[in-house]
Parts: sequence; structure tokens; C-alpha cells
Amino acid sequence: QSVLTQPPSASGTPGQSVTISCSGSSSNIGSNFVYWYQQIPGTAPKLLISRNNRRRSGVPDRFSGSKSGTSASLAISGLRSEDEADYYCAAWDDSLSGSYVFGSGTKVTVL
Amino acid sequence: QVQLVESGGGVVQPGGSLRLSCTPSGIDFTIYGMHWVRQAPGKGLEWVAFIRFDGSYQYYSDSVKGRFTISRDNPKNTLYLQMDSLRSEDTAVYYCAKDSGSGSPTIDYWGQGTLVTVSS
Repeated sequence: QSVLTQPPSASGTPGQSVTISCSGSSSNIGSNFVYWYQQIPGTAPKLLISRNNRRRSGVPDRFSGSKSGTSASLAISGLRSEDEADYYCAAWDDSLSGSYVFGSGTKVTVL
Repeated sequence: QVQLVESGGGVVQPGGSLRLSCTPSGIDFTIYGMHWVRQAPGKGLEWVAFIRFDGSYQYYSDSVKGRFTISRDNPKNTLYLQMDSLRSEDTAVYYCAKDSGSGSPTIDYWGQGTLVTVSS
């Protein structure tokens, strides 16, 4: 099972907003930056949000990230059909010998 | 722009070995750490290993520690993943990924992936 916990699915109609949560612990989200990746089925992941809330160049401002304590979230406003994808949170984990941990992934469906 | 091209995937029998390669372009390979991440069919992302920019230190996931070795040849601009004692559960698409270079290891660019199938 994944170290970071995400809901398996989320959905909304075009124009609506969706928020994806990511829950971790003091050794990962609580002490390191959170990154968010988008993966369209059949393609490689790509970075959306770095350092908790910094949108990568070219990513629409409909996407926003936030972090509080040992949890983080990704919000998508003004949902569009092209946002239908899998979304993963990730953070470095300082426990034991160190590792980069991913969330279990959230499938966003645009109804 | 940044491009990461993996090669070396294929079909291998359980207990066998395989070496993956990754050749980046559009970056100064010598100043960035690099990662390998895998994704089993229909599953989520699983981080495999990280190597520092100069190859001085490596980190591994518990699931591959002692079986996989990450290495790099900076003059040849190439990242490697040597996979030994392969198991069926190692079947996955393996992605080469570039470290962001800021603070703790994190990923900002991904390759397109290469498929490794472990089957008899």
C-alpha cells in the first residue's frame, strides 16, 4: 500500500471544481515539499505543481496546490474534459534510509 | 527542451537480469541527480531508486534493495539500472526521471518509459 493516501476517484461536470486530498506523516509531507503529477492514460506522468503550490510553467492557473501539516491538496477549478487523468502526490520521506513516496493516485473523471 | 530516452526493456525469465539505460538531452546531466520509477500494469507509480549527480550516493526502495543497482556514466551522459534476480512482480513500465535539484530528491521531468516483462 502507498505511504501517501489519496481518494481513488473524484469527478465533476465541466466548469465545476474538484479537490484531491493527500495525507501523509511527519516524515514526508510534514517535513518536505509536496509535488503533484498528472498522468493521462497511456502516457508518462508530468509535473503540475512543485514545492507545495508552485505551478509549473505552462500549467493553467485552474490548478492550485496547498499544504497544511501532514496533508496536502490539489484543486482543479473550471474542470475541462482534458483534465480527465490520474493525479499523484509525492514527497521525499526522511524515515529510515530515505525514499521518494507517491500517493496511491486519484482518477479524475469529467462527467 | 528536456528529453529522457529509456532503452533496454524486454521480456526476461524469473531469476534473470536486465540492464536499462537512459540518455538525457537538453540538460547538463552532470549537475542533476536522477531517479528510476516504475508502474506495474494498471497500478500506481512506485519509486525505485535515486542517484546523486556525482554518483556518490544511491537510495533504493525496500522492494529492490540488494537486487537492483542504479549507476551513471557522466562522460557518456547515461543513467543505468541493473536489475538482477528479477521476479514476476518486477513487471512494469520503468521511467527514467530527472531530479529537480532543489533540496531533497524530487522529480520534475520524466521519460516515456520502457516495458520490462518478467515471465517464463
